[in-house]
This record gives sequence, C-alpha cells and structure tokens, in this order.
Amino acid sequence: QSALTQPASVSGSPGQSITISCTGTSSDVGGYNYVSWYQQHPGKAPKLIIYDVSSRPSGVSNRFSGSKSGNTASLTISGLQAEDEADYFCSSYTSSTTDVFGTGTKVTVL
Amino acid sequence: EVQLVESGGGLVRPGGSLRLSCAASGFTFTDAWMTWVRQAPGKGLEWVGRIKSNAAGGTSDYAAPVRGRFSISRDDSINTLYLQMSSLQTEDTAVYYCTSGWSWGQGTLVTVSS
Repeated sequence: QSALTQPASVSGSPGQSITISCTGTSSDVGGYNYVSWYQQHPGKAPKLIIYDVSSRPSGVSNRFSGSKSGNTASLTISGLQAEDEADYFCSSYTSSTTDVFGTGTKVTVL
Repeated sequence: EVQLVESGGGLVRPGGSLRLSCAASGFTFTDAWMTWVRQAPGKGLEWVGRIKSNAAGGTSDYAAPVRGRFSISRDDSINTLYLQMSSLQTEDTAVYYCTSGWSWGQGTLVTVSS
C-alpha cells in the first residue's frame, strides 16, 4: 500500500486560508469516507483534527474543515494562526482492511 | 481524562525481539479498536496495525512491512494493548505510538542497532 500523496509544504500569512490535498486511489481515499487528518507539532504526538472526511472532534477549532472529491481529500485551515504551524498528515482506510497515511505536509505561517 | 501510556521501548539488536505495552485509562477500552503507528526519526507517520474490540471479533490487521513479524494483542481485564515485535530490522527504528484514533500516547522509542 503506497502512502497517500500530500504536498511537502504549504505556507500562508496570518488570517489567510490554506488547503492541503491528500491524493490516493479508488482503493483508499476514493472508496471510503474514512479519511482522517492529524496535526503534529515538533516533538509531540499527533492530534486528530478531522475524521470521516469532514467531522471535527469536540474541542477542535472550526477553522479546520475537511472535504473529499474523487480520490483526493482536502484539509482547509481558515483564519491561519501562528499556532497552526505544524505538520499535517491525512490517513485513509483501504480495501486491504488496513489504513495508510499521507506523506505529510509542513505548514508554515509567514 | 483519556490517557494512553506506552512503555517497553529501548535498544535491541537486529534480529531481536521486543514487546511494547500501552496502558489505557479514561475511556471504555473494551469497546475500542486500537492501533499502533510508528514514526522513524525525521520521517512521517506509518500505520503498523490495528486490533478490533473483542465484541467485533478481536482480529488484527497489519501493514505489509511488519506482517508476519509483529503481533498485536490486548488484555481487556487490565486495559492494556501490546505490540510483540520479532525479527527486528534497522528499518523498524522509530517512535511507536498507540492510539484509539481519538487519543494518542506520547510514544516509546525503539532503536534497532548493532
């Protein structure tokens, strides 16, 4: 199972919106509505911010939103803040009954 | 408060074995499908495997790189998840996290080196 493809880096200024893509295949992202997104600050454990494509866990800012079209899922961060600077990973359930993570995206707040 | 605390990491020689534990509290562990994820130094997240709740059959699935070498088990009587690792290779060097999906532990470092 190959890793899902994410851009290596995305940047934006405070207050702007950015979108991170996560591209897979019909055997993972495109085939199931089980895409999750995780935020990871340096030296810390990942934190779930989106599950089931577009649902937010309790306590996660509504500035984070998720969507999916075909084999590509997307995470949008609106009103970018300094604290959003982190690594972001997508994951998806697959037809092999395993999960697969994305390659990861480093978000920089300019 | 949900807590997941991994332990058992350390230095092991290539070809060796190691068992990681993950002590869970603050949620109904019995109902949870639990997952192990690893992260090699400076690299991204890699899904290792998952065990279903016993009510869902208690079966496990594994990523191809570890299938046949790693085994996940659980002891619901003490709210603990395990990862038995054997035939360890240098490529298995990573921080290993247990997760319920919603919550993650702090991770435990496994270093495979001669």
